Amino acid sequence: KAGVTQTPRYLIKTRGQQVTLSCSPISGHRSVSWYQQTPGQGLQFLFEYFSETQRNKGNFPGRFSGRQFSNSRSEMNVSTLELGDSALYLCASSGGTPLGYTFGSGTRLTVV
Amino acid sequence: QKEVEQDPGPLSVPEGAIVSLNCTYSNSAFQYFMWYRQYSRKGPELLMYTYSSGNKEDGRFTAQVDKSSKYISLFIRDSQPSDSATYLCAMTPGNTPLVFGKGTRLSVIA
Repeated sequence: KAGVTQTPRYLIKTRGQQVTLSCSPISGHRSVSWYQQTPGQGLQFLFEYFSETQRNKGNFPGRFSGRQFSNSRSEMNVSTLELGDSALYLCASSGGTPLGYTFGSGTRLTVV
Repeated sequence: QKEVEQDPGPLSVPEGAIVSLNCTYSNSAFQYFMWYRQYSRKGPELLMYTYSSGNKEDGRFTAQVDKSSKYISLFIRDSQPSDSATYLCAMTPGNTPLVFGKGTRLSVIA
């Protein structure tokens, strides 16, 4: 079966711009979580959506936002980009158990 | 103190060696313990999981959880160059998002 698909794979943006990343979960999975991965901080939780509702939110500024559509696809948006937002953004979908996380290959965002 | 601590390495071992990877944690509510493997330019993939305390074995891999010490381990026997990757521990009480260690980069040299 198809895995978690994240688009685009790579992005280069300028400080101050905004960016939207997309995630298509595994068919049938209703939970989508987003993580930011950097060498210094590792994987840090951004937010989780379940059936179009934000269920959990990590400790990130309001510039980071997300949403989930009725087909479970999810997007995350980062406004007013800063150099420190350069990271690998990972999306994971789950069928409902903590053991069922499947990650996509991520979107590598570089802010210059 | 971070909730989950993991030595980032890097760790370099010869082929065939036994590898020991470890994490410590501070939240006694954690009940699910997982190990993920992440190859370069890929997302993490679930390698093994353990619920509560105890050991679990899967082929060359053994996961151990010691809740009294808040310490988890992953052992890799007969390590292979294909095991070269970053290994991440992750844990959760069950109803909240996974909390990850920073990952240990492992290189197995042929």
